[in-house]
Amino acid sequence: EAGVAQSPRYKIIEKRQSVAFWCNPISGHATLYWYQQILGQGPKLLIQFQNNGVVDDSQLPKDRFSAERLKGVDSTLKIQPAKLEDSAVYLCASSLVGGELFFGEGSRLTVL
Amino acid sequence: GDSVTQMEGPVTLSEEAFLTINCTYTATGYPSLFWYVQYPGEGLQLLLKATKADDKGSNKGFEATYRKETTSFHLEKGSVQVSDSAVYFCALSDGAFQGAQKLVFGQGTRLTINP
Repeated sequence: EAGVAQSPRYKIIEKRQSVAFWCNPISGHATLYWYQQILGQGPKLLIQFQNNGVVDDSQLPKDRFSAERLKGVDSTLKIQPAKLEDSAVYLCASSLVGGELFFGEGSRLTVL
Repeated sequence: GDSVTQMEGPVTLSEEAFLTINCTYTATGYPSLFWYVQYPGEGLQLLLKATKADDKGSNKGFEATYRKETTSFHLEKGSVQVSDSAVYFCALSDGAFQGAQKLVFGQGTRLTINP
């Protein structure tokens, strides 16, 4: 069974530029999550989708971050404009409703 | 709000040594507790879980017991191997174990096992 796919694996940008990360969850998983993991810290939930709808985006900095999940499958997380403090690994995870989370390998962002 | 505190790392041990990684939590309700592991170059994986007080989670020789009286969920293994080298995260989720609940993670503990 294919796991959670994320791209790109690495991205380096200048501050104030924009960036987008893509996630393809495990087939059939209705719930999708985006986590931010800053170096030396544990992952922090940014947004959670159930099919197309947002369940929780309380920790998403909405002035610069946006996310969408079209057709209840793939998802894109965008940052515009990026700040230095956005340097982190962005983790995507998916699950069946009520099930175990499966994480992708993450997308590492460096903002210069 | 809910929080998880792990022992400071990194931790370096010799092969076959006994391992303990401490984890304590603060939560208003009755959370489920988890240990996740991240091997080099891989994504986070669920290692074990416990959903109520006094439950013991176990997997791959690792164990952790949900201690409500001390709000702890310490990870232990009797004899570590080089292949156990990874970063370990303690986490909690409000209510019973449901993937739809928000996971709150500790800061992670990097474990290195020398042959």
